[in-house]
Amino acid sequence: AQTVTQSQPEMSVQEAETVTLSCTYDTSENNYYLFWYKQPPSRQMILVIRQEAYKQQNATENRFSVNFQKAAKSFSLKISDSQLGDTAMYFCAFNKPGSARQLTFGSGTQLTVLP
Amino acid sequence: SQTIHQWPATLVQPVGSPLSLECTVEGTSNPNLYWYRQAAGRGLQLLFYSIGIDQISSEVPQNLSASRPQDRQFILSSKKLLLSDSGFYLCAWSAPGQVSNQPQHFGDGTRLSIL
Repeated sequence: AQTVTQSQPEMSVQEAETVTLSCTYDTSENNYYLFWYKQPPSRQMILVIRQEAYKQQNATENRFSVNFQKAAKSFSLKISDSQLGDTAMYFCAFNKPGSARQLTFGSGTQLTVLP
Repeated sequence: SQTIHQWPATLVQPVGSPLSLECTVEGTSNPNLYWYRQAAGRGLQLLFYSIGIDQISSEVPQNLSASRPQDRQFILSSKKLLLSDSGFYLCAWSAPGQVSNQPQHFGDGTRLSIL
């Protein structure tokens, strides 16, 4: 079974600075997909970024980028130029190929952006 | 475009009472549908998923059940609620089939409090 670990329960960053959230996972699969979701205080889950394991290039979405290290089974999220609206719980998720069951979530990292 | 509706947003129920949470998706056909529970400060636990009408898989043994009476309708139910059923319940959908690179899209959630 796949597991996803987020070792940082809470983090904080000053507005306009850069922060990196860590995520590691364990799987025997060679091809899979990884996601970062954001859950602000409103509780709505919002997709931030996704990475396909067979792609070596790290995914980027505006101020959000990932550092995907397949051999190390690491999938960190970097947020540049942090904004107050980035304050949220961030979840890393793993998707097993060929399974409608899909996502296995980590326990989350609560990020607070300080003014 | 696709939308997902989940209601009610908040629910307070006494122990032993029944439960019915509803989720509907618009703008897509034969979606995969999911019910998650999120305990306070915790990650998401998959409760049920469905790849089609009357095709529902249960992930964990519990006091809850799910039904899919129509293609885009997913209902979470209980005959007798327990205190441990308190939590935040999220419905989600993803594109049909088992293509695992498709992200899940979440509803706004239901906060359920059991008294």
